[in-house]
Amino acid sequence: SQQGEEDPQALSIQEGENATMNCSYKTSINNLQWYRQNSGRGLVHLILIRSNEREKHSGRLRVTLDTSKKSSSLLITASRAADTASYFCATDNDYKLSFGAGTTVTVRA
Amino acid sequence: NAGVMQNPRHLVRRRGQEARLRCSPMKGHSHVYWYRQLPEEGLKFMVYLQKENIIDESGMPKERFSAEFPKEGPSILRIQQVVRGDSAAYFCASSPPVGHYGYTFGSGTRLTVV
Repeated sequence: SQQGEEDPQALSIQEGENATMNCSYKTSINNLQWYRQNSGRGLVHLILIRSNEREKHSGRLRVTLDTSKKSSSLLITASRAADTASYFCATDNDYKLSFGAGTTVTVRA
Repeated sequence: NAGVMQNPRHLVRRRGQEARLRCSPMKGHSHVYWYRQLPEEGLKFMVYLQKENIIDESGMPKERFSAEFPKEGPSILRIQQVVRGDSAAYFCASSPPVGHYGYTFGSGTRLTVV
């Protein structure tokens, strides 16, 4: 069964706007990771947040984690056309990643 | 410093044939993981291997699927007697031996069964 589930399923925004997507999960985790997948390509690791961390930044990415609510959010600021992709959260328990179905983000020029 | 290399990128097989998917991990990585992605879905864990050892194959279908990671050479995911439902993208990831942070994924093999 899927551990992480993203919301919304799809998101369309104008270039320069911010994009926010959420991830909920069911069981306790060691860490949570976010990945990007461009159409027909492999996954690119974006950011990892550990279970004892609440917020993490990397460039234009901001990730939050609320273990009490079993949820995480990914914020992409000042979006660009190149951010058009599917974004997946994955919970990590030891070595096994459990992915949600992803949020498809389309950034319009 | 090449990343995780998977080949072939695309593979077409007729029903009943065998499919062999190869994965060469990143240099210095001794742990390999295989995942399957069906259309419009997230990746599903299949198997975790270390050199010459299958650590966890709980995500592998019980029949027709096997995986290996020999002492020398790439990891191989083998699907015997393929069926249309095996059509999917198969991704390999690798990680270093200590800790499991920072998985690196390959570009995947897209298997189409006709």
